[in-house]
Amino acid sequence: ETGVTQTPRHLVMGMTNKKSLKCEQHLGHNAMYWYKQSAKKPLELMFVYNFKEQTENNSVPSRFSPECPNSSHLFLHLHTLQPEDSALYLCASSQAVNYGYTFGSGTRLTVV
Amino acid sequence: RKEVEQDPGPFNVPEGATVAFNCTYSNSASQSFFWYRQDCRKEPKLLMSVYSSGNEDGRFTAQLNRASQYISLLIRDSKLSDSATYLCVVKGIRSNDYKLSFGAGTTVTVRA
Repeated sequence: ETGVTQTPRHLVMGMTNKKSLKCEQHLGHNAMYWYKQSAKKPLELMFVYNFKEQTENNSVPSRFSPECPNSSHLFLHLHTLQPEDSALYLCASSQAVNYGYTFGSGTRLTVV
Repeated sequence: RKEVEQDPGPFNVPEGATVAFNCTYSNSASQSFFWYRQDCRKEPKLLMSVYSSGNEDGRFTAQLNRASQYISLLIRDSKLSDSATYLCVVKGIRSNDYKLSFGAGTTVTVRA
């Protein structure tokens, strides 16, 4: 398998639920990212990991908790989300930080 | 002023037509520029980098105007498959910042 794979593709969760998004890249890249894309808005950078170390937390609420166990896997743990958190969550990777992004297909999250 | 600003469109053009649109950016010291393409409900994919002297890739031509702080994308001989949202991406939008910043996108619809 190649590229960047995200699961699940779609997720509906209640505000009291806990869920996790998974991202896996098979490109040998060293940097991974979480982005949020809301309708009609630019992609918002959430987190950056470089060589498994978090180098950026873009003022993201604590109800979003990232985890990067190795340079190929990235998780986004979700708990007590709000309806305004409904969006497309995109994972991306690159060989070096912010160079040549490859995006996953995204997880379309709906919070009810 | 938004960091990266695009006309959201939509630009509705017939097949075979030429369509062009711009993107403005706020920091004159920004380093690198890209156009990404995003199909409906899909992830963004790199279309082309934008070089200082301008560059072409088939029917697509990108230009950079540093003095006026904008980049442009021109699509010649439009195809139905060109229908998508085109994202303007700028690297180094903030001083000493290597991150990529995305515009909200320009939607192009090519009709038969």
